Amino acid sequence: NAGVTQTPKFQVLKTGQSMTLQCAQDMNHEYMSWYRQDPGMGLRLIHYSVGAGITDQGEVPNGYNVSRSTTEDFPLRLLSAAPSQTSVYFCASITLLGTGGSEAFFGQGTRLTVV
Amino acid sequence: AQRVTQPEKLLSVFKGAPVELKCNYSYSGSPELFWYVQYSRQRLQLLLRHISRESIKGFTADLNKGETSFHLKKPFAQEEDSAMYYCALSGPDTNAGKSTFGDGTTLTVKP
Repeated sequence: NAGVTQTPKFQVLKTGQSMTLQCAQDMNHEYMSWYRQDPGMGLRLIHYSVGAGITDQGEVPNGYNVSRSTTEDFPLRLLSAAPSQTSVYFCASITLLGTGGSEAFFGQGTRLTVV
Repeated sequence: AQRVTQPEKLLSVFKGAPVELKCNYSYSGSPELFWYVQYSRQRLQLLLRHISRESIKGFTADLNKGETSFHLKKPFAQEEDSAMYYCALSGPDTNAGKSTFGDGTTLTVKP
């Protein structure tokens, strides 16, 4: 059982280049999210999805696009990379708890540098 | 609006000393509180959640609704406890399973 798999682990982009960060989960969770992790700023939600075909913006969505064609996959696209997008990106697969809250299972992260 | 505050960005203790990582929250309903841990170069993983009332790796956390706190404690810190710790909140009002995370506390346990 792999859980949440992210690729690539590391990436260097030039300003203006585009790329897609891949995320796949095998836990059959409906909810998935993308976070970015920056020093001193914790984890900030970029986009999330409540199921195949349904996505919504989080706290810091600008510069990123997502789609959710299947339950398993939730790719994050950078259309035109900027140095401000240098960060560590985490994908999470989320299960809802019976009490109404939720628990997140994270991928191993993608360390992205934009030069 | 929901909010999680971890007032200490860095915390350093000696091995064998007690450690407490502070977490305060703001939430209008009944929240679920969690502690996640990230060891060096590893993924974030759940350490414990308040509803299970369990002790993991010697850590405990008690939800204090009066003080809106969920501090993480361990009586005797070990070097392998050195990591980044995130407090997180979710609840029935959290849209579609989103969680709110604090800014994190980096714990260093010195030998």
